[in-house]
Amino acid sequence: QKEVEQNSGPLSVPEGAIASLNCTYSDRGSQSFFWYRQYSGKSPELIMSIYSNGDKEDGRFTAQLNKASQYVSLLIRDSQPSDSATYLCAGSGYSTLTFGKGTMLLVSP
Amino acid sequence: SQTIHQWPATLVQPVGSPLSLECTVEGTSNPNLYWYRQAAGRGLQLLFYSVGIGQISSEVPQNLSASRPQDRQFILSSKKLLLSDSSFYLCAWGSRFSYNEQFFGPGTRLTVL
Repeated sequence: QKEVEQNSGPLSVPEGAIASLNCTYSDRGSQSFFWYRQYSGKSPELIMSIYSNGDKEDGRFTAQLNKASQYVSLLIRDSQPSDSATYLCAGSGYSTLTFGKGTMLLVSP
Repeated sequence: SQTIHQWPATLVQPVGSPLSLECTVEGTSNPNLYWYRQAAGRGLQLLFYSVGIGQISSEVPQNLSASRPQDRQFILSSKKLLLSDSSFYLCAWGSRFSYNEQFFGPGTRLTVL
């Protein structure tokens, strides 16, 4: 059974710090990975996609993929209180995604 | 640009009543379409997905069904709602020409009393 594991948190960081969110996956056939941000009561929003080993940067966000270790991470630099949300990691299957249960991030002013 | 609509935004229904939730996508053709639900404080549960008109794959057997009568329309239905159907229902679309990334609609919050 395909699984994506995340620490549920909450992960608490002060404003301006780097938040590091991690995810492991079981399906070695997964080729693409995604990070979604979900504010309380709202639907998930895609914030990062990564398809190959290494780092991918987009503004304050950096996604990292290590297929040998089956590990995906999301770094948020200069964290802001508005980054407080649940972050969902997802890995691709043939036509579907397998989601982790999410990590709650709390950024304190 | 692509837009995904879901309605209604909130719904309160009595136990045993029927359900129909609708999702439509604009700005793309032949999308993959998905229905998820998310119970309070829980992860996303994939219910159904469709890669074309009339093609429905069910991930979890239960009292729900899905239909895709048109290319960009996806409907989630139930003949008789259960208390346990109370949840946040999300529709998503994805391009079959991308890496399976999916984009979610605003969701419908269903409460069954």
